[in-house]
Amino acid sequence: DSGVTQTPKHLITATGQRVTLRCSPRSGDLSVYWYQQSLDQGLQFLIQYYNGEERAKGNILERFSAQQFPDLHSELNLSSLELGDSALYFCASSILDRDEKLFFGSGTQLSVL
Amino acid sequence: QKEVEQDPGPLSVPEGAIVSLNCTYSNSAFQYFMWYRQYSRKGPELLMYTYSSGNKEDGRFTAQVDKSSKYISLFIRDSQPSDSATYLCAITGTYKYIFGTGTRLKVLA
Repeated sequence: DSGVTQTPKHLITATGQRVTLRCSPRSGDLSVYWYQQSLDQGLQFLIQYYNGEERAKGNILERFSAQQFPDLHSELNLSSLELGDSALYFCASSILDRDEKLFFGSGTQLSVL
Repeated sequence: QKEVEQDPGPLSVPEGAIVSLNCTYSNSAFQYFMWYRQYSRKGPELLMYTYSSGNKEDGRFTAQVDKSSKYISLFIRDSQPSDSATYLCAITGTYKYIFGTGTRLKVLA
């Protein structure tokens, strides 16, 4: 168990809908990362937060947004969902802003029908 | 050109074999090199990390970095069926933390 908690584990929804994925980092970790993993794209970096502030942005669509709250948990919001958004979404955390060691949650499997 | 290139495999080896997994990267600004193991539908877990050229050993695993060639490797000795997983290399050193696409490994009993 990495200590990173992601909910829900599975999410099934329809095109055009909006969903929220939640992540609680390991105790003491200030940095949260979001990744999308699909079969043909590998692990794609979406966004990173450190202590409530956005630190880095990857290939995150405008339909997606995230935030990190004062208690350090993070939420990833996906809106106007499309079939192609179906993927595993992982959250990872680390102690530092720039850290070589990431600890991953077990992921949220999103299926858009 | 992708910043990290990794052969996707799949790679099948008999139990007890030595496995070599490799990645190349393009940007010399990256300073830290990691290997993660991911079992099917699970989150990746950190296996090893290093920041210098040369070898780093941990049990049956050896990570090797050649910064001059921008080449990183993971060797698994005496491979076991429980090593069957996808192995992802990762690099960082800026605000980017980039993963390779992963190599699927199957160790046959």
